[in-house]
Amino acid sequence: KNQVEQSPQSLIILEGKNCTLQCNYTVSPFSNLRWYKQDTGRGPVSLTIMTFSENTKSNGRYTATLDADTKQSSLHITASQLSDSASYICVVPRNTNAGKSTFGDGTTLTVKP
Amino acid sequence: NAGVTQTPKFQVLKTGQSMTLQCAQDMNHEYMSWYRQDPGMGLRLIHYSVGAGITDQGEVPNGYNVSRSTTEDFPLRLLSAAPSQTSVYFCASRSGTGDSYEQYFGPGTRLTVT
Repeated sequence: KNQVEQSPQSLIILEGKNCTLQCNYTVSPFSNLRWYKQDTGRGPVSLTIMTFSENTKSNGRYTATLDADTKQSSLHITASQLSDSASYICVVPRNTNAGKSTFGDGTTLTVKP
Repeated sequence: NAGVTQTPKFQVLKTGQSMTLQCAQDMNHEYMSWYRQDPGMGLRLIHYSVGAGITDQGEVPNGYNVSRSTTEDFPLRLLSAAPSQTSVYFCASRSGTGDSYEQYFGPGTRLTVT
């Protein structure tokens, strides 16, 4: 069964601290993995796209890693800011042409001052 | 560019009523889709379209209809609203093909069916 599991479900950290969010997937065949940020009351916004051959990709203070062998990805946030408070969603497409993707349930991050 | 726009932002319906959620994009994207997001759950695909005149079902299509008469617009119709359709609905469009596409989501419509 194609699944995407994210952990933790929620996380609270202090401003300035780092954190790491996890994503495990069983989607097959695998082509790419995406991380989105969803602010409260808004639509998801793309952070990174990881293809099969990429191990690490950075977008500012966000760094995503991918281990295609163990089917795991992580999103590391460095020097967190209050604006990082959001839900982070891991997505693995199942069929690129049909746009069918498996979405994780998301990790809700709260950054406190 | 306005990107992907959705109207209305909020809607309350009674069971059995019908309505149309509007979605438009000004990026000339061929591919558009509708998702629903329920509390604590991942987004689920309702319907999608790969171009004007072409639509297909996603994972949870029952109770919803779509049409795509133009590249810009992709409305979602609820035929007879049910409480189980209470959810937040997102429209999305995407650019590119293969693995390198970028997907853009609208701001969402929060629907409550009583």
